[in-house]
Amino acid sequence: GAGVSQSPRYKVAKRGQDVALRCDPISGHVSLFWYQQALGQGPEFLTYFQNEAQLDKSGLPSDRFFAERPEGSVSTLKIQRTQQEDSAVYLCASSFTEQFFGPGTRLTVL
Amino acid sequence: AQSVTQLDSQVPVFEEAPVELRCNYSSSVSVYLFWYVQYPNQGLQLLLKYLSGSTLVESINGFEAEFNKSQTSFHLRKPSVHISDTAEYFCAVSEDFGNEKLTFGTGTRLTIIP
Repeated sequence: GAGVSQSPRYKVAKRGQDVALRCDPISGHVSLFWYQQALGQGPEFLTYFQNEAQLDKSGLPSDRFFAERPEGSVSTLKIQRTQQEDSAVYLCASSFTEQFFGPGTRLTVL
Repeated sequence: AQSVTQLDSQVPVFEEAPVELRCNYSSSVSVYLFWYVQYPNQGLQLLLKYLSGSTLVESINGFEAEFNKSQTSFHLRKPSVHISDTAEYFCAVSEDFGNEKLTFGTGTRLTIIP
């Protein structure tokens, strides 16, 4: 596709469930970023990949959050034992010279 | 650490009136500055950016922003707004271009009144 795609677009999880959010970056983009956007807030950085290497994970809020990009293309953000405070829109961006954002996955934890 | 402040959470403006959306930043190093726009039910789109050179940067749809280093500001302006400009606008800063995380403000919701 021409842009960054994310799936699912919407996810409802019961508290304690594990979820996996997928990001398909623009082909050829080396850099990939994950952000979390809570309601009424700006996006906040979670983690950054350059190819398959995770160079910065300083924004991950807890050890329940895990991200991977094993082949340097598609990335998955996994949240274990979801909590209500994890409810947010999760944004993925890929970059060659500037960051292009996907539509996001809206996660609601009940 | 860098931070971005957008003091106005909501700005209502009459159609064809001018608008200014304020953005102030703090950083200990040189920065790159961005404005992103999020239209209803769409993803974030880059509106304009300041990297270096001329402090006044423009977008293709009539917006402009001026980098003011002494005031650490990057305010967004448009001389005459249209209904189609209704959106959420986010100011962001990074310490690198492309391969560095963005730090965003909390956003300003621009509402155009017919």
